[in-house]
Amino acid sequence: NAGVTQTPKFRVLKTGQSMTLLCAQDMNHEYMYWYRQDPGMGLRLIHYSVGEGTTAKGEVPDGYNVSRLKKQNFLLGLESAAPSQTSVYFCASSAGRGSSTEAFFGQGTRLTVV
Amino acid sequence: LAKTTQPISMDSYEGQEVNITCSHNNIATNDYITWYQQFPSQGPRFIIQGYKTKVTNEVASLFIPADRKSSTLSLPRVSLSDTAVYYCLVGVAYNTDKLIFGTGTRLQVFP
Repeated sequence: NAGVTQTPKFRVLKTGQSMTLLCAQDMNHEYMYWYRQDPGMGLRLIHYSVGEGTTAKGEVPDGYNVSRLKKQNFLLGLESAAPSQTSVYFCASSAGRGSSTEAFFGQGTRLTVV
Repeated sequence: LAKTTQPISMDSYEGQEVNITCSHNNIATNDYITWYQQFPSQGPRFIIQGYKTKVTNEVASLFIPADRKSSTLSLPRVSLSDTAVYYCLVGVAYNTDKLIFGTGTRLQVFP
């Protein structure tokens, strides 16, 4: 009963490096989301997906790319990391649209860019 | 999504009932009201969802007045483990793909 799993849990990057965060869900959910949360702040939506093969921009998409090649996986990429991207990243999935259904979250990935 | 307004923070003591109110003046006819809880270093967790009147589950109660322009999350007899951030979300059911969080209410429970 894994739910939503994020990989890795921690990562330190140097400015300019690239990396991919993986989100995997085993609930057969259509909707998946990527958020970032800065210290003492709320969650901000980066990108989201409404189904396999689809992606869309959220509130703060600049500097990030995503892919949803398989229904169960949602990848978040940083092509050239910047210190401003230091944050905790959360992935979520839901069966339905928007705020009408329950969303399930992963444990987060703590990313530091130096 | 309808804009929501919540208190930034609240303090309480163990054993007390805590009520967190969320204002959503421009709520639409089809909007649902959903609350999430987030503990430090964890992802948010769904608590409760409602459309009108009162909804209760094993964790909390949600009170929604007739005009639906506000809602109140009620946590009975809080304990230290209820210290968390609570988010109120209001969105049009089946009419938006985004899940947008506000800044939430930081609840601190003291012994």
